[in-house]
Amino acid sequence: TAGITQAPTSQILAAGRSMTLRCTQDMRHNAMYWYRQDLGLGLRLIHYSNTAGTTGKGEVPDGYSVSRANTDDFPLTLASAVPSQTSVYFCASSEGTGQNEQFFGPGTRLTVL
Amino acid sequence: GQNIDQPTEMTATEGAIVQINCTYQTSGFNGLFWYQQHAGEAPTFLSYNVLDGLEEKGRFSSFLSRSKGYSYLLLKELQMKDSASYLCAVLDSNYQLIWGAGTKLIIKP
Repeated sequence: TAGITQAPTSQILAAGRSMTLRCTQDMRHNAMYWYRQDLGLGLRLIHYSNTAGTTGKGEVPDGYSVSRANTDDFPLTLASAVPSQTSVYFCASSEGTGQNEQFFGPGTRLTVL
Repeated sequence: GQNIDQPTEMTATEGAIVQINCTYQTSGFNGLFWYQQHAGEAPTFLSYNVLDGLEEKGRFSSFLSRSKGYSYLLLKELQMKDSASYLCAVLDSNYQLIWGAGTKLIIKP
């Protein structure tokens, strides 16, 4: 099985433009997450979804939005990108919330100029 | 505030043993995870501790002391492929993971 996939692998984006990062999992996991990873900092949670149809805000949600229309897909949208959103973005999923291990996608490297 | 502390970088020799420490101060505690992340790749799960004590899994072991807010990851018989970053993460009272910045482990032959 593919597990969890992300697209694109990398992207250079002009400031002010919008972009959607895609994430799909085929493990039928209930919970999904979006993180950003910056040098010298730990992974920071942007948004999460405990089950299809619900979403919640993480530690750094400003400037990002998500939707969870079905179990498999969890897209992350930047409405108007700013340079501080330059980062590596990881999508993850877990069977349930809490103590379940999270499985990570390969990441999207985004540069906002 | 919530805080996870790990050393930024450690160096060890192939075949040796290394211990990576993690101390935490979080709002609540529902378990501690260790993940491995090779450069340019995604994190992968190594271990989960929720009770005090040592959990052994092959060459890797993880220890937890909740009263001290402390954990360590012990890697034995180090191999070159163990060169990676090791991420400590605590599940807080809201069941959200709080991540440390990671420890970059460099293995020398």
